[in-house]
Amino acid sequence: ETVMTQSPATLSLSPGERATLSCRASQSVGSSVAWYQQIPGQAPRLLIYGASIRASGIPARFSGSGSGTDFTLSISSLQSEDFAVYYCFQYNNWPPSHTFGQGTKLEIK
Amino acid sequence: QVQLVQSGAEVKKPGASVKVSCKASGYSFIDYDINWVRQTSGQGLEWVGWMNPESGNTASAQKFQGRVTLTADTSISTAYMDLSSLTSDDSAVYFCASGASRAASYPGHWGQGTPVTVSS
Repeated sequence: ETVMTQSPATLSLSPGERATLSCRASQSVGSSVAWYQQIPGQAPRLLIYGASIRASGIPARFSGSGSGTDFTLSISSLQSEDFAVYYCFQYNNWPPSHTFGQGTKLEIK
Repeated sequence: QVQLVQSGAEVKKPGASVKVSCKASGYSFIDYDINWVRQTSGQGLEWVGWMNPESGNTASAQKFQGRVTLTADTSISTAYMDLSSLTSDDSAVYFCASGASRAASYPGHWGQGTPVTVSS
């Protein structure tokens, strides 16, 4: 099983600042990584797939990068609605044996 | 638009089974994979399994193998997750999610979640 490790567990920033979230895979997953945002009480929302492709309707301030084992989600200028929990997700295996990271909580400083 | 509507909350005793349904609308059901994901109270997301409604092929996380059965009734565009031998550790909100596009095995559209409580 591919283990996805996210860091930091919690990130405290102010609106307008830049956020950088990391995700490391225990083995290469190519570019088969997605990022999800979850607000408490809601279902997750797809932000990024293919490591760097923004999903439909996602603002340009969200960007993803990386390949192989190291991945990054960046939010260029934090808005109030961006404070949430973010998960990385790998879908490289066939047959599917997908895994989520443990999440990074982005909180208001 | 794509919509996934799940069945309601369940309360089960340890050792029992639970079956959660997920009715899809707004797209061709057989063209998009279905994933099942769970979230325990206050904790992170955990991938449970995947199925392709057209072929009926399924896969699940190793920890659920032998306990989870994923099926679909294409005539009513509904997917099902059956989890057996429940313990208190299975108390969680269970989500179904369709693939983001054809041939995309990662989730794009999510159901509202079904809370399952396992308690004696």
